Amino acid sequence: GAGVSQSPRYKVAKRGQDVALRCDPISGHVSLFWYQQALGQGPEFLTYFQNEAQLDKSGLPSDRFFAERPEGSVSTLKIQRTQQEDSAVYLCASSLDRSGRNPGTQYFGPGTRLTVL
Amino acid sequence: RKEVEQDPGPFNVPEGATVAFNCTYSNSASQSFFWYRQDCRKEPKLLMSVYSSGNEDGRFTAQLNRASQYISLLIRDSKLSDSATYLCVVNTGNQFYFGTGTSLTVIP
Repeated sequence: GAGVSQSPRYKVAKRGQDVALRCDPISGHVSLFWYQQALGQGPEFLTYFQNEAQLDKSGLPSDRFFAERPEGSVSTLKIQRTQQEDSAVYLCASSLDRSGRNPGTQYFGPGTRLTVL
Repeated sequence: RKEVEQDPGPFNVPEGATVAFNCTYSNSASQSFFWYRQDCRKEPKLLMSVYSSGNEDGRFTAQLNRASQYISLLIRDSKLSDSATYLCVVNTGNQFYFGTGTSLTVIP
């Protein structure tokens, strides 16, 4: 079946531009996560949704980062006024778990590689 | 202190060798534990969950020591296709914390 998809796969932005990154999770998956992965590092948690509710956004690095999942399926990560330090791969993951207590196995999308010039 | 600490390697081993990776975590309330594999410029993929009793999947064995807050992964009879970065992952509450990954290269 279809896995997690993300678009665009690559994005080049000029410093100060706004960008929007899209994630289509696996159909029926309740939980959705966004991560930021810098070169040579492991993914760093940004935010977590259970259906349309954003239950944890403690990993968002600044108020320039905003995520939404209005209908509990597709999610968008928006970065306003991009800075060079925002350059990274942005990974989306989804999992089936409905309890919220144990998000369970995550399935990752291919990521969006963002380069800010 | 980082939530998850992992030796970045790199580990370069010959085919057929046994190699072990270790990982420590800082939060004793962490609930679940995983090893993920990430190939170059690809997304992470689940390799195996880690259970307190230890678990095995073919050539791969994972161990968890809650008292020492320590997780390990053992790969026996290494194959060229095992070359990748191995990420230790700890779930605490809603969050998943990833280690920086350990790079493995299996040499013919």
